[in-house]
Amino acid sequence: KQEVTQIPAALSVPEGENLVLNCSFTDSAIYNLQWFRQDPGKGLTSLLLIQSSQREQTSGRLNASLDKSSGRSTLYIAASQPGDSATYLCAPGSGNTGKLIFGQGTTLQVKP
Amino acid sequence: GAVVSQHPSRVICKSGTSVKIECRSLDFQATTMFWYRQFPKQSLMLMATSNEGSKATYEQGVEKDKFLINHASLTLSTLTVTSAHPEDSSFYICSAHRDRANEQFFGPGTRLTVL
Repeated sequence: KQEVTQIPAALSVPEGENLVLNCSFTDSAIYNLQWFRQDPGKGLTSLLLIQSSQREQTSGRLNASLDKSSGRSTLYIAASQPGDSATYLCAPGSGNTGKLIFGQGTTLQVKP
Repeated sequence: GAVVSQHPSRVICKSGTSVKIECRSLDFQATTMFWYRQFPKQSLMLMATSNEGSKATYEQGVEKDKFLINHASLTLSTLTVTSAHPEDSSFYICSAHRDRANEQFFGPGTRLTVL
C-alpha cells in the first residue's frame, strides 16, 4: 500500500526566499507524480506532472524533481511571493488509470 | 483546456435525505474519474474509481451502498450520498483522468453539510 509523507507539515517564510518542499513515498512502482496547490476551501490546481521516466519538470518559478528509485520528490519554489501561500500536495500515481495517493500536504505561508 | 466542473458547489440537506453531486469533464473525454473526500485540515482520501460503462471500484472502508457512483458517459460521473447523516458532512472532490498525458484534473469541490 502506497504511503506518502510530506515534510515539513507547515512552513512560514518571508517574501523572496527560495524554499524546498519534500515528498517521500513507499512504493517506487509509480507511473508519474503530480504536485498540486490547494487554497482554503477550494479544489486542487495542478502545478507540475512528472512522468516516471523524467527527473524534473519546470514551470515558471517552480521546479519539481523526482528520484523514483529512492521514493522522493521535491518541489522548489524560487523567490517566494505572498500569493504562493497555500497548501501544497504531492501525489504519486500508479497504473495507467492514474490513481493518486495524496500526502498530508505542506501548508506554506509567505509573509510580505 | 482540461476543465472539470462540479455541481452543486455547496449543498445543505437534512439527515436521511439523498444528495447527488455531478462531475463533468468539459473539454475532454474521461474514461476514468475519481471521487475523493476531504475533512477539515486533512488531505484527500480516495473513495472510489469511476469507470465509464462499468461498476465503480471502491476503496477499502468505503460503503458502496452509501456512496452510489454512476459513470454514464465519457464526460459525466455522479456521486449520490444516500440517507445522509451529519458524519457525511465533508468536502467532496472529483477528478477526471485524461488518457493522453495520464494526468488528473480536479473539479472545484462540493461542500456537503448534513443537518
